[in-house]
Amino acid sequence: QQPVQSPQAVILREGEDAVINCSSSKALYSVHWYRQKHGEAPVFLMILLKGGEQKGHEKISASFNEKKQQSSLYLTASQLSYSGTYFCGIRGSNNDMRFGAGTRLTVKP
Amino acid sequence: DAGVIQSPRHEVTEMGQEVTLRCKPISGHNSLFWYRQTMMRGLELLIYFNNNVPIDDSGMPEDRFSAKMPNASFSTLKIQPSEPRDSAVYFCASTTTMNTEAFFGQGTRLTVV
Repeated sequence: QQPVQSPQAVILREGEDAVINCSSSKALYSVHWYRQKHGEAPVFLMILLKGGEQKGHEKISASFNEKKQQSSLYLTASQLSYSGTYFCGIRGSNNDMRFGAGTRLTVKP
Repeated sequence: DAGVIQSPRHEVTEMGQEVTLRCKPISGHNSLFWYRQTMMRGLELLIYFNNNVPIDDSGMPEDRFSAKMPNASFSTLKIQPSEPRDSAVYFCASTTTMNTEAFFGQGTRLTVV
């Protein structure tokens, strides 16, 4: 029931772009994206709702394909501060929230 | 608001001992989640509550694990008896509706020796 994320890890140079994908086998009501720094709690980045509404911040965008039950997170012109592990969380019809295994992003100077 | 508060931040215990982890959600939040994080399994959902009622505990690994939410401002996750494979970081998170973000506590790092 956990969503599947890809890739597992990615290494970038500052200024490069990255895409992280998330797919689910169950119906999605909303998709949440979080970033976790080492030794810290996950921090909210963005939420995508059925119908296309997005709520988020920073220079990060995302898409949500309800039909395919997929979401993608787009990191453009990456900065050193983008390094961390990114998780997608899927909320289902009974209000549960399950996370993928995470994508470890490393941005190098 | 102080955010989601978990205690203790670190716990080291011997195999066979009882361990109790505590969580205070953000006031007004009616959903609470307990997660376990390991390198191998990532963030696993153990159990969650809506309005203090346990909805799904299928993620609780064994009968050794139990969770309660006696009121809207407090929840516990208990492991009895603890085993070395229970070593992990345990997070509590709270939220309101499905369309709002979940806030995580700082986690409890549990080490069972």
